[in-house]
Amino acid sequence: GQNIDQPTEMTATEGAIVQINCTYQTSGFNGLFWYQQHAGEAPTFLSYNVLDGLEEKGRFSSFLSRSKGYSYLLLKELQMKDSASYLCAVRSAYSGAGSYQLTFGKGTKLSVIP
Amino acid sequence: NAGVMQNPRHLVRRRGQEARLRCSPMKGHSHVYWYRQLPEEGLKFMVYLQKENIIDESGMPKERFSAEFPKEGPSILRIQQVVRGDSAAYFCASSHPQMGRQETQYFGPGTRLLVL
Repeated sequence: GQNIDQPTEMTATEGAIVQINCTYQTSGFNGLFWYQQHAGEAPTFLSYNVLDGLEEKGRFSSFLSRSKGYSYLLLKELQMKDSASYLCAVRSAYSGAGSYQLTFGKGTKLSVIP
Repeated sequence: NAGVMQNPRHLVRRRGQEARLRCSPMKGHSHVYWYRQLPEEGLKFMVYLQKENIIDESGMPKERFSAEFPKEGPSILRIQQVVRGDSAAYFCASSHPQMGRQETQYFGPGTRLLVL
């Protein structure tokens, strides 16, 4: 089975740095995704990791350790518009059915305060 | 380049009616995924389709739910005889097949179904 855990809520101050953790247990692994979702809107793709290490993309970075089943999303220079839910999703190994379905955590609701 | 389109954005149905949700993938994308998001829950996979084929429907309820992706036109998720428990946000995602490489799913704005 699949299980993905991330904190339910976090609060951080504008201009600061915040790290959102995600741990997972899956029967197979073929990549980990982070999405941002503002209330009432579509999830928006942020980052993808399939190998261990850090991927940096502007103010956002994502880290993966496959041996530990662990990832984090790092947001720097926080802005008020970064207030949103951040979804961690794992793609299972390519199944016999040919599916690349994603298994999502429940999301971390980040509130950025002045 | 338009993103993934879904309509309607909001849909209200009474118990027992049918709900039809439409999804037009991004231009050039031939893979479509449907997910359901219940309040306070994560997105749950329902079904994966390619043109004229259902590839994986392991997340679909066994009854009342069906999906199609015809050769022409949008993908449709159909819910027959809706019940209150079907109230949720239904998201469609599309992707472009990339053998051996990252295949990112891009999401539409969702359809919020409310069953009265």
